[in-house]
Amino acid sequence: NAGVMQNPRHLVRRRGQEARLRCSPMKGHSHVYWYRQLPEEGLKFMVYLQKENIIDESGMPKERFSAEFPKEGPSILRIQQVVRGDSAAYFCASSPVPGLAGEGDEQYFGPGTRLTVT
Amino acid sequence: QKEVEQDPGPLSVPEGAIVSLNCTYSNSAFQYFMWYRQYSRKGPELLMYTYSSGNKEDGRFTAQVDKSSKYISLFIRDSQPSDSATYLCALYLIQGAQKLVFGQGTRLTINP
Repeated sequence: NAGVMQNPRHLVRRRGQEARLRCSPMKGHSHVYWYRQLPEEGLKFMVYLQKENIIDESGMPKERFSAEFPKEGPSILRIQQVVRGDSAAYFCASSPVPGLAGEGDEQYFGPGTRLTVT
Repeated sequence: QKEVEQDPGPLSVPEGAIVSLNCTYSNSAFQYFMWYRQYSRKGPELLMYTYSSGNKEDGRFTAQVDKSSKYISLFIRDSQPSDSATYLCALYLIQGAQKLVFGQGTRLTINP
């Protein structure tokens, strides 16, 4: 059973360009989460999606960032007009349907995309 | 005040030692607790998860939760150099926000 897949693993963008990060969840998982890890900091929640639905985007910056999880294909995290402060590791996680008493709540992470803005 | 506090270390111990890693949290609504291990430039790997107070054991790892004190621990017995990594505690609300709140992570080195 393949794990969570992310691509590209490394992405270099110049200031002002767009960055697109892709995530394919584990087989059988229908919930996707994006987290950002800045240098020397812990992971911070950005957004939680189900197919064709954004459930919680409370961690997303108000501008330039957007996410989607279409009916077909991977989840996409899109950063428009990147700035140097966007340089970070972006991790995607997936889970089965969250349930009661903790079943299905565990999240499994992909290898991450390391974005460098020059 | 951060929702989850974790000593970032670094922590360095000799091979074979028992390692204790800890987190404290402020929101009693957190009900579900996880420990992740992250090797350098890799994604976090789920080690253990629990949703009740008490101990949960898996091989050389034991997760301990004390909800009354809002304190969680991860113990590693017979530590190995391959255990050298950053360990992250992560907390989760069963109801409401479906997101993990992470501690800063503790960088651990096991010396041969």
